Amino acid sequence: NAGVTQTPKFRILKIGQSMTLQCTQDMNHNYMYWYRQDPGMGLKLIYYSVGAGITDKGEVPNGYNVSRSTTEDFPLRLELAAPSQTSVYFCASSSPGTGQNIQYFGAGTRLSVL
Amino acid sequence: AQTVTQSQPEMSVQEAETVTLSCTYDTSESDYYLFWYKQPPSRQMILVIRQEAYKQQNATENRFSVNFQKAAKSFSLKISDSQLGDAAMYFCAYSEGGYGGSQGNLIFGKGTKLSVKP
Repeated sequence: NAGVTQTPKFRILKIGQSMTLQCTQDMNHNYMYWYRQDPGMGLKLIYYSVGAGITDKGEVPNGYNVSRSTTEDFPLRLELAAPSQTSVYFCASSSPGTGQNIQYFGAGTRLSVL
Repeated sequence: AQTVTQSQPEMSVQEAETVTLSCTYDTSESDYYLFWYKQPPSRQMILVIRQEAYKQQNATENRFSVNFQKAAKSFSLKISDSQLGDAAMYFCAYSEGGYGGSQGNLIFGKGTKLSVKP
Protein backbone atom coordinates (compact mmCIF):
# COMPACT_ATOMS: atom_id res chain seq x y z
CA ASN A 1 0.00 0.00 0.00
CA ALA A 2 1.56 3.29 -1.15
CA GLY A 3 -0.59 5.65 0.97
CA VAL A 4 0.47 9.27 0.43
CA THR A 5 3.41 9.78 -1.93
CA GLN A 6 5.35 13.03 -2.22
CA THR A 7 7.95 13.97 -4.78
CA PRO A 8 10.66 15.14 -4.73
CA LYS A 9 12.19 14.29 -1.35
CA PHE A 10 14.75 17.10 -1.52
CA ARG A 11 15.09 20.21 -3.65
CA ILE A 12 17.25 23.29 -3.72
CA LEU A 13 15.85 26.36 -5.46
CA LYS A 14 17.33 29.71 -6.27
CA ILE A 15 15.47 32.85 -5.23
CA GLY A 16 12.80 33.68 -7.79
CA GLN A 17 12.54 30.18 -9.25
CA SER A 18 9.27 28.25 -9.31
CA MET A 19 8.48 24.62 -8.70
CA THR A 20 5.65 22.20 -8.05
CA LEU A 21 5.60 19.75 -5.17
CA GLN A 22 3.69 16.66 -6.14
CA CYS A 23 1.36 14.71 -3.86
CA THR A 24 -0.76 11.70 -4.69
CA GLN A 25 -2.78 9.32 -2.53
CA ASP A 26 -4.31 5.96 -3.31
CA MET A 27 -6.76 5.70 -0.40
CA ASN A 28 -9.65 7.44 -2.17
CA HIS A 29 -9.68 10.13 0.51
CA ASN A 30 -11.73 13.23 -0.20
CA TYR A 31 -9.69 15.55 1.97
CA MET A 32 -6.11 16.53 1.25
CA TYR A 33 -3.78 19.00 2.97
CA TRP A 34 -0.46 20.76 2.61
CA TYR A 35 1.55 21.70 5.69
CA ARG A 36 4.92 23.30 6.22
CA GLN A 37 7.22 22.62 9.16
CA ASP A 38 9.82 25.19 10.06
CA PRO A 39 12.76 24.26 12.32
CA GLY A 40 11.69 23.70 15.94
CA MET A 41 8.04 24.23 15.12
CA GLY A 42 4.92 22.21 14.59
CA LEU A 43 3.22 21.88 11.25
CA LYS A 44 1.20 24.78 9.87
CA LEU A 45 -1.55 24.41 7.28
CA ILE A 46 -0.95 26.03 3.90
CA TYR A 47 -3.94 24.86 1.84
CA TYR A 48 -6.52 22.14 1.99
CA SER A 49 -9.06 20.55 -0.30
CA VAL A 50 -12.32 18.81 0.55
CA GLY A 51 -12.70 17.25 -2.89
CA ALA A 52 -11.82 17.56 -6.56
CA GLY A 53 -12.24 21.13 -7.74
CA ILE A 54 -12.50 22.58 -4.21
CA THR A 55 -9.59 24.21 -2.39
CA ASP A 56 -9.27 26.68 0.45
CA LYS A 57 -6.59 28.61 2.29
CA GLY A 58 -5.09 27.53 5.56
CA GLU A 59 -3.05 29.51 8.06
CA VAL A 60 -0.03 30.36 5.86
CA PRO A 61 -1.11 30.44 2.15
CA ASN A 62 0.93 33.40 0.89
CA GLY A 63 3.38 32.51 -1.87
CA TYR A 64 1.66 29.21 -2.73
CA ASN A 65 -1.02 27.94 -5.05
CA VAL A 66 -2.83 24.62 -5.29
CA SER A 67 -5.18 22.80 -7.59
CA ARG A 68 -7.23 19.63 -7.23
CA SER A 69 -8.32 18.23 -10.57
CA THR A 70 -8.60 14.63 -9.38
CA THR A 71 -9.29 12.89 -6.07
CA GLU A 72 -5.80 11.40 -6.07
CA ASP A 73 -3.57 14.42 -6.76
CA PHE A 74 -3.01 17.67 -4.90
CA PRO A 75 0.04 19.56 -6.21
CA LEU A 76 1.49 22.60 -4.42
CA ARG A 77 2.96 25.34 -6.58
CA LEU A 78 5.62 27.78 -5.36
CA GLU A 79 5.90 30.90 -7.47
CA LEU A 80 8.90 33.21 -7.11
CA ALA A 81 10.60 31.22 -4.36
CA ALA A 82 11.88 33.20 -1.36
CA PRO A 83 14.27 32.19 1.47
CA SER A 84 11.28 32.33 3.87
CA GLN A 85 9.87 29.30 2.04
CA THR A 86 12.80 27.14 3.14
CA SER A 87 11.00 24.44 5.09
CA VAL A 88 9.86 20.84 5.13
CA TYR A 89 6.56 20.33 3.33
CA PHE A 90 4.11 17.59 4.18
CA CYS A 91 1.09 16.42 2.27
CA ALA A 92 -1.66 14.52 4.05
CA SER A 93 -5.04 13.01 3.30
CA SER A 94 -8.04 11.96 5.34
CA SER A 95 -11.63 10.88 5.14
CA PRO A 96 -13.51 12.75 7.89
CA GLY A 97 -16.81 11.31 6.76
CA THR A 98 -15.81 7.97 8.25
CA GLY A 99 -15.74 9.59 11.69
CA GLN A 100 -12.07 8.81 12.07
CA ASN A 101 -10.58 12.25 11.30
CA ILE A 102 -7.18 10.58 10.98
CA GLN A 103 -4.72 12.23 8.63
CA TYR A 104 -2.16 10.11 6.82
CA PHE A 105 1.06 11.87 5.95
CA GLY A 106 3.58 11.60 3.16
CA ALA A 107 7.30 11.41 3.92
CA GLY A 108 7.84 15.13 3.35
CA THR A 109 9.84 17.29 0.95
CA ARG A 110 12.80 19.25 2.27
CA LEU A 111 13.09 22.50 0.31
CA SER A 112 15.91 25.00 0.54
CA VAL A 113 15.73 28.39 -1.19
CA LEU A 114 19.12 30.02 -1.56
CA ALA B 1 -9.11 30.39 17.29
CA GLN B 2 -8.03 27.04 18.62
CA THR B 3 -4.53 26.70 19.99
CA VAL B 4 -2.38 23.81 21.16
CA THR B 5 0.43 24.30 23.68
CA GLN B 6 3.24 21.92 24.55
CA SER B 7 5.20 23.43 27.42
CA GLN B 8 8.07 20.94 27.45
CA PRO B 9 10.51 21.55 24.57
CA GLU B 10 12.63 18.56 25.64
CA MET B 11 12.21 15.55 27.89
CA SER B 12 14.47 12.68 28.80
CA VAL B 13 13.68 9.21 30.13
CA GLN B 14 15.67 6.15 31.11
CA GLU B 15 15.04 3.04 29.07
CA ALA B 16 12.23 0.90 30.59
CA GLU B 17 10.96 3.84 32.66
CA THR B 18 7.76 5.85 32.23
CA VAL B 19 7.50 9.39 30.91
CA THR B 20 4.58 11.79 30.52
CA LEU B 21 4.41 14.50 27.87
CA SER B 22 2.08 17.43 28.49
CA CYS B 23 -0.34 19.17 26.14
CA THR B 24 -3.01 21.78 26.71
CA TYR B 25 -5.43 23.18 24.18
CA ASP B 26 -7.98 25.92 23.88
CA THR B 27 -11.30 25.59 22.08
CA SER B 28 -14.92 26.58 22.47
CA GLU B 29 -16.10 23.53 20.52
CA SER B 30 -17.61 20.48 22.17
CA ASP B 31 -16.97 18.03 19.31
CA TYR B 32 -13.32 17.55 18.52
CA TYR B 33 -10.44 15.09 18.31
CA LEU B 34 -7.01 15.09 19.88
CA PHE B 35 -3.95 13.30 18.57
CA TRP B 36 -0.37 12.52 19.42
CA TYR B 37 1.97 12.17 16.45
CA LYS B 38 5.53 10.87 16.59
CA GLN B 39 8.19 12.24 14.24
CA PRO B 40 11.47 10.27 14.28
CA PRO B 41 14.61 11.57 12.53
CA SER B 42 13.24 10.13 9.28
CA ARG B 43 10.68 13.00 9.39
CA GLN B 44 7.74 10.66 8.85
CA MET B 45 4.66 11.70 10.85
CA ILE B 46 3.33 8.63 12.65
CA LEU B 47 0.01 8.60 14.49
CA VAL B 48 0.54 7.32 18.03
CA ILE B 49 -2.88 7.68 19.60
CA ARG B 50 -6.22 9.41 19.08
CA GLN B 51 -8.92 10.60 21.48
CA GLU B 52 -12.48 11.61 20.71
CA ALA B 53 -13.69 14.40 22.96
CA TYR B 54 -17.09 12.87 23.60
CA LYS B 55 -15.52 9.69 24.98
CA GLN B 56 -14.70 9.87 28.67
CA GLN B 57 -12.53 6.79 28.59
CA ASN B 58 -8.86 7.49 28.00
CA ALA B 59 -7.42 6.00 24.81
CA THR B 60 -4.73 3.32 25.07
CA GLU B 61 -2.47 1.79 22.42
CA ASN B 62 -0.09 -0.80 23.84
CA ARG B 63 2.56 1.13 25.86
CA PHE B 64 0.98 4.49 25.03
CA SER B 65 -1.92 5.97 26.95
CA VAL B 66 -3.44 9.39 27.43
CA ASN B 67 -4.86 11.32 30.35
CA PHE B 68 -7.68 13.35 28.84
CA GLN B 69 -9.07 16.02 31.15
CA LYS B 70 -11.78 17.75 29.11
CA ALA B 71 -12.71 20.41 31.66
CA ALA B 72 -9.06 21.36 32.15
CA LYS B 73 -8.41 21.09 28.38
CA SER B 74 -5.43 18.87 29.05
CA PHE B 75 -4.27 15.90 26.99
CA SER B 76 -1.07 14.26 28.24
CA LEU B 77 0.70 11.25 26.74
CA LYS B 78 2.17 8.54 28.94
CA ILE B 79 4.78 6.20 27.51
CA SER B 80 5.40 3.13 29.65
CA ASP B 81 8.42 0.83 29.45
CA SER B 82 10.25 3.35 27.26
CA GLN B 83 12.33 1.93 24.44
CA LEU B 84 15.22 3.39 22.46
CA GLY B 85 12.95 3.51 19.42
CA ASP B 86 10.61 5.90 21.23
CA ALA B 87 13.17 8.70 20.88
CA ALA B 88 11.59 11.28 18.59
CA MET B 89 9.69 14.56 18.42
CA TYR B 90 6.15 14.20 19.70
CA PHE B 91 3.42 16.55 18.52
CA CYS B 92 0.05 17.09 20.10
CA ALA B 93 -2.65 18.05 17.60
CA TYR B 94 -6.32 19.10 17.59
CA SER B 95 -9.06 18.96 14.99
CA GLU B 96 -12.71 19.82 15.11
CA GLY B 97 -15.28 17.10 14.71
CA GLY B 98 -18.03 17.01 12.15
CA TYR B 99 -17.74 16.78 8.40
CA GLY B 100 -17.27 19.36 5.72
CA GLY B 101 -15.26 22.55 5.48
CA SER B 102 -12.30 23.02 7.77
CA GLN B 103 -13.30 20.53 10.43
CA GLY B 104 -10.62 18.03 9.50
CA ASN B 105 -7.73 20.50 9.69
CA LEU B 106 -5.08 19.74 12.29
CA ILE B 107 -3.65 22.37 14.62
CA PHE B 108 -0.29 21.34 16.03
CA GLY B 109 1.69 22.23 19.09
CA LYS B 110 5.40 23.03 18.76
CA GLY B 111 6.47 19.58 19.84
CA THR B 112 8.46 17.88 22.59
CA LYS B 113 11.77 16.23 21.83
CA LEU B 114 12.02 12.96 23.74
CA SER B 115 15.41 11.37 24.41
CA VAL B 116 15.70 7.82 25.73
CA LYS B 117 18.84 6.94 27.67
CA PRO B 118 20.11 3.33 27.60
